[in-house]
Amino acid sequence: AQSVAQPEDQVNVAEGNPLTVKCTYSVSGNPYLFWYVQYPNRGLQFLLKYITGDNLVKGSYGFEAEFNKSQTSFHLKKPSALVSDSALYFCAVRDTGNNRKLIWGLGTSLAVNP
Amino acid sequence: GAVVSQHPSRVICKSGTSVKIECRSLDFQATTMFWYRQFPKKSLMLMATSNEGSKATYEQGVEKDKFLINHASLTLSTLTVTSAHPEDSSFYICSAGLAGGPYNEQFFGPGTRLTVL
Repeated sequence: AQSVAQPEDQVNVAEGNPLTVKCTYSVSGNPYLFWYVQYPNRGLQFLLKYITGDNLVKGSYGFEAEFNKSQTSFHLKKPSALVSDSALYFCAVRDTGNNRKLIWGLGTSLAVNP
Repeated sequence: GAVVSQHPSRVICKSGTSVKIECRSLDFQATTMFWYRQFPKKSLMLMATSNEGSKATYEQGVEKDKFLINHASLTLSTLTVTSAHPEDSSFYICSAGLAGGPYNEQFFGPGTRLTVL
């Protein structure tokens, strides 16, 4: 069965430090992976995606993610965290059926402390 | 970028009434829209996939007759919560996918907070 796991419910990091939000996946065939961010009481905003090509994907707001096929991971990273990065982060993988659905992780709350 | 709007942003209703939530893609055409429900502990639950001009595809466990979805045009999908009850109180979010590319990202509306008294 296809699935996405975000093993950390909460991540805390000091402002200015690098941050990593973890995501692992399980799909048959090639994975198409996405990261979204959600600020309080708002909808989700697209950050970046991996479809094919370079394993390091750069996205919005200085975020990047590294696709690792052998470890079936797609961790989200940022070299220097900002307090304004505090939000809820979702990893998702496209359902391999012909329905364009996304399969979602449970989300990780990121708190960046000043 | 692609913008998706939802209306209303917040609604409070009495138990037993019906509530309609609109989802619009403002600057692009969306052949497919998705309706999600988000629970207090943050997880997203896909309720249904809405396809323009055809019946919605509901996820297992979602009551079709309770959550009516209509996708009448390439820019509008509606979710009607019929005979709402307090347990239907939640944050409902829609998203729309760009037509053409199957691997395009989804764009999300800002969500609708439904409170049923």
